[in-house]
Amino acid sequence: DAGVIQSPRHEVTEMGQEVTLRCKPISGHDYLFWYRQTMMRGLELLIYFNNNVPIDDSGMPEDRFSAKMPNASFSTLKIQPSEPRDSAVYFCASSPGTGRPGANVLTFGAGSRLTVL
Amino acid sequence: DQQVKQNSPSLSVQEGRISILNCDYTNSMFDYFLWYKKYPAEGPTFLISISSIKDKNEDGRFTVFLNKSAKHLSLHIVPSQPGDSAVYFCAASAESSGDKLTFGTGTRLAVRP
Repeated sequence: DAGVIQSPRHEVTEMGQEVTLRCKPISGHDYLFWYRQTMMRGLELLIYFNNNVPIDDSGMPEDRFSAKMPNASFSTLKIQPSEPRDSAVYFCASSPGTGRPGANVLTFGAGSRLTVL
Repeated sequence: DQQVKQNSPSLSVQEGRISILNCDYTNSMFDYFLWYKKYPAEGPTFLISISSIKDKNEDGRFTVFLNKSAKHLSLHIVPSQPGDSAVYFCAASAESSGDKLTFGTGTRLAVRP
């Protein structure tokens, strides 16, 4: 398995533009997570899905952020409009559906580094 | 509010010596703890975990200690190797409340040859 695949790896955009980050989880994994890494807050959970259904989106910072999972092999995180404070590394992770989600090992993608000018 | 805290942003250790990375938490409902390691330009990878019913878990050179009364856990690496140089994240979850992983801010470990 190629692991969790994220694209793009790097994105530089101007304030006000729409940004779409993409993720392909590991086949057979039932959970998909979107995290954001910043120096001040570390890794913050934005949203997670179970079997393509959003379970908890309480970490989504504002209405400018939205996430979808139209099928088991694809998810997007969209920011519209983007702002400089959204600059961060965004990680997608997936985990198996067995056992507790909080105790399952997450497999992370390599991340998408977003810079909003 | 940061429920999982790693108060040392960085740590430097000589090769062959022990590295001790610390993590404190405030939520007494946390009952499962994990450590992840992250190299530059890569995603975090799982290292070791511990359930709240234990106070120690060992895997090769890595040992995690849990002190529930102090709401503190630590990761010991013995002996430290240059390849251990990375950012280490502590994470915790509570089955009774959402069961989602909450991460700390990370500690950057540098192992000097």
